[in-house]
Amino acid sequence: GIQVEQSPPDLILQEGANSTLRCNFSDSVNNLQWFHQNPWGQLINLFYIPSGTKQNGRLSATTVATERYSLLYISSSQTTDSGVYFCAVGTRTGTASKLTFGTGTRLQVTL
Amino acid sequence: DARVTQTPRHKVTEMGQEVTMRCQPILGHNTVFWYRQTMMQGLELLAYFRNRAPLDDSGMPKDRFSAEMPDATLATLKIQPSEPRDSAVYFCASGLTLRQGSIANTEAFFGQGTRLTVV
Repeated sequence: GIQVEQSPPDLILQEGANSTLRCNFSDSVNNLQWFHQNPWGQLINLFYIPSGTKQNGRLSATTVATERYSLLYISSSQTTDSGVYFCAVGTRTGTASKLTFGTGTRLQVTL
Repeated sequence: DARVTQTPRHKVTEMGQEVTMRCQPILGHNTVFWYRQTMMQGLELLAYFRNRAPLDDSGMPKDRFSAEMPDATLATLKIQPSEPRDSAVYFCASGLTLRQGSIANTEAFFGQGTRLTVV
């Protein structure tokens, strides 16, 4: 099956700093989503971005499907950004479809 | 406020007991997914439905797990009998798959999960 790798696995930032999270995938995909899992365990949709660039406030994402990677940018980080960031890719093999998650980047934003 | 609702939020049960987890998908969504999250395995797809029909449950242990959609507003995941290794957070997600589209293109929205502990 498809491999989804995220880097870095862990990241500690001071409030106000910027960061870039990366998601590499091993095969072509139909769909790519970024999620934030907050400290209470809830998975929050950030972006649906199979290709191109999107921005939402302090967050933006870029997917280069031909090169099989996606980037999530967090600017002016806040303590509420802490949690785990997952990318997930949608693939289709024959009649079977699947959304496969990466292992995540754990982000801690400190004061 | 459109969101996926899961009940119960927490469940502690003894080994061998039946566990039923429920999910109400977002109104109008026609695709439902069940995922399990553990520290060791991360987020794993267990099963998914489109228009209430089960399409793939290859991620589930068939001997003890079953997933159904009695109607468009309710999806259930049952474990019978439960075992300590089933302890995990179980997430339901829903999405709208377009008529000619593929589930692989569907944007999934997740519920808050059910944290299951089997002792």
